[in-house]
Amino acid sequence: AQSVAQPEDQVNVAEGNPLTVKCTYSVSGNPYLFWYVQYPNRGLQFLLKYITGDNLVKGSYGFEAEFNKSQTSFHLKKPSALVSDSALYFCAVRERGAGSYQLTFGKGTKLSVIP
Amino acid sequence: DAGVTQSPTHLIKTRGQQVTLRCSPISGHKSVSWYQQVLGQGPQFIFQYYEKEERGRGNFPDRFSARQFPNYSSELNVNALLLGDSALYLCASSLMGQGNQPQHFGDGTRLSIL
Repeated sequence: AQSVAQPEDQVNVAEGNPLTVKCTYSVSGNPYLFWYVQYPNRGLQFLLKYITGDNLVKGSYGFEAEFNKSQTSFHLKKPSALVSDSALYFCAVRERGAGSYQLTFGKGTKLSVIP
Repeated sequence: DAGVTQSPTHLIKTRGQQVTLRCSPISGHKSVSWYQQVLGQGPQFIFQYYEKEERGRGNFPDRFSARQFPNYSSELNVNALLLGDSALYLCASSLMGQGNQPQHFGDGTRLSIL
C-alpha cells in the first residue's frame, strides 16, 4: 500500500521569505512523486514531478522539490514567496510498475503568505 | 486548447437518489480518473479508465460505477446517495495512463446531498 503524509496543516511565511512544505511518502518499491496546488473552488494544478535522475526537481511558478530516498521525503520549496502563492498544496505518490495508476494524495497543507 | 471539463459544476440531490457526473478529457488524452475530495481532505481515488477499460478501482462501494466512451469522455454514476457522498468530485486526464505522467484535473462537480 502507498501513503503520503503532510505533517503540517498550515504553513505561514512572510512575503519574500523562502518557503518549505513538507511531504513524506511510503511505497513498497520506487515512487513517482508529484506536487499539486489547489486554489479555492478550483481543481488541482500540476506543479512538478519526480520520476528519476536528479534529486532536485524544478517546476512551475519558481517551485522546486527535493527528493530524498533515505528519508522518503519530497519537500516543496520556493526561494522567495509571493502573496499569490497562498493556496492548498497536495503531495501525491504512485508506485512504479504497480499496474494501476492510482495517485495517493496527502491531506494537504494550507500555505498563507503574509504581505 | 481546452482543459478537462466537468459538468455540472454544482448539484443538489436528496438521499436515495442517483446522480451522473460527466467529464471530457483534454484532447488527445486517453486516460480518465475520478477522485472524491471531502472538505478538508486530499482527493481519494475512485476509478481509472484507459482505452475504455477499467484499470483501477479504489476502496468505494458498488454504488459507485463509471464508464468511458469511444471519444474518451467519461461518466461517474452514484446510486442510492448517502449524506456522506457530499463532496467535490474531480476528473483527471492523462495522455496514455502511464505511471510517470501527471494527471490534469478539471474544476470538479460539487455534489451536495440533503
